[in-house]
Amino acid sequence: DIVMTQSPDSLAVSLGERATINCKSSQSVLDSSNINNHLAWYQQKAGQPPKLLIYWASTRESGVPDRFSGSGSGTDFALTISSLQAEDVAVYYCQQYFTTPYSFGQGTQLEIK
Amino acid sequence: EVQLVESGGGLVQPGESLRLSCAASGFSFNEHFMDWVRQAPGKGLDWVGLSKNRGASYTTHYAASVRGRFTVSRDDSKNSLYLQMNSLKTEDTAVYYCRVWILGRVSWGQGTLVTVSS
Repeated sequence: DIVMTQSPDSLAVSLGERATINCKSSQSVLDSSNINNHLAWYQQKAGQPPKLLIYWASTRESGVPDRFSGSGSGTDFALTISSLQAEDVAVYYCQQYFTTPYSFGQGTQLEIK
Repeated sequence: EVQLVESGGGLVQPGESLRLSCAASGFSFNEHFMDWVRQAPGKGLDWVGLSKNRGASYTTHYAASVRGRFTVSRDDSKNSLYLQMNSLKTEDTAVYYCRVWILGRVSWGQGTLVTVSS
């Protein structure tokens, strides 16, 4: 099974500053046949279901602000928020969908400093 | 617009069974993989199981923690996904979400709460 590890577990960033969350998979999630990384990022606010932000590691979901970006390939990935807004306070999860079980990272709590 | 509506949650005792349903609309149900994810109170996301589409022979896959107790099934004629949960344990208490995968993008339902307690 692929283990997903996020860092840090929690993060406090000032409004307008950059926030970066890292996600590492225990095996590569790159599909060499189509050069797609099977990695998604979700945002979950209190009392709500998770919301898809990024898929294929770097493709932004429709309607997601462009301050959110995903990067990385193979086993190392990052979600970056270029300029933190108050509404970005949430828990963020990565997930691999390369092979079952489709494992999640443990989550990163993002707060305002 | 993709819509997923879960139902069937509730309070059950340990050892009992429960069947969750997910009514889907807004996409070609029979063409896509669908799965279940759960979230225990105050905890992270936990993948439960997957139903592949007809093209993949409706193959199912499960997390080790539920294999042998839970069964994912689908009825393409009703645009519905199901999760049959048997021999429930207190640690199965969670909100259960239904999801659909469309070309790498995933959509989530609002979830249904399952509480296993004596």
